[in-house]
Amino acid sequence: SQKIEQNSEALNIQEGKTATLTCNYTNYSPAYLQWYRQDPGRGPVFLLLIRENEKEKRKERLKVTFDTTLKQSLFHITASQPADSATYLCALRNAGNMLTFGGGTRLMVKP
Amino acid sequence: DTAVSQTPKYLVTQMGNDKSIKCEQNLGHDTMYWYKQDSKKFLKIMFSYNNKELIINETVPNRFSPKSPDKAHLNLHINSLELGDSAVYFCASSRTSGGTANTGELFFGEGSRLTVL
Repeated sequence: SQKIEQNSEALNIQEGKTATLTCNYTNYSPAYLQWYRQDPGRGPVFLLLIRENEKEKRKERLKVTFDTTLKQSLFHITASQPADSATYLCALRNAGNMLTFGGGTRLMVKP
Repeated sequence: DTAVSQTPKYLVTQMGNDKSIKCEQNLGHDTMYWYKQDSKKFLKIMFSYNNKELIINETVPNRFSPKSPDKAHLNLHINSLELGDSAVYFCASSRTSGGTANTGELFFGEGSRLTVL
């Protein structure tokens, strides 16, 4: 069956360090992979998209990698700040154009 | 200006009742969605409408009936509410045209928290 797995345990890091979140998938051939941020009581907000033929994408302090052989995407936040604390969701867009989300990983950045 | 707005934000009701959640987007998008987020925070797609036509209907009970009067609105009506329907329901929209330049990102509303007692 198709699965999108993100670490359900919260990731706690110190301010200024790099946060790395993982998204693994099975039985998908995604055309796209997206990352969203969700704050408590709010809807998810789009951050980055990476396509199947791209290895890496950057946006300010954010970096996303996509390894279709390992079936994995890594999401990095460099120089993390307490304001980066949120839940981060990965989502796969397959050939059927349907976007399916992982369970999200909660990031806590301590000052 | 709110891009995707849904009402009500909170809804508390008794089992067996019928309720509706409304959604409107002012982004000019051609596709709208309903997602359900349960207590474990999993976001699951329920329905997708493109230009007022149903595109995706995941395994959702018949008690859930989406209605799209026009491209900017997608309402969700739920009949005979059950305890297991308690969740946060998110409306979202996206633009499906634009070819490879389109990121396909979803714009979400703030969510409607439904509690069935």
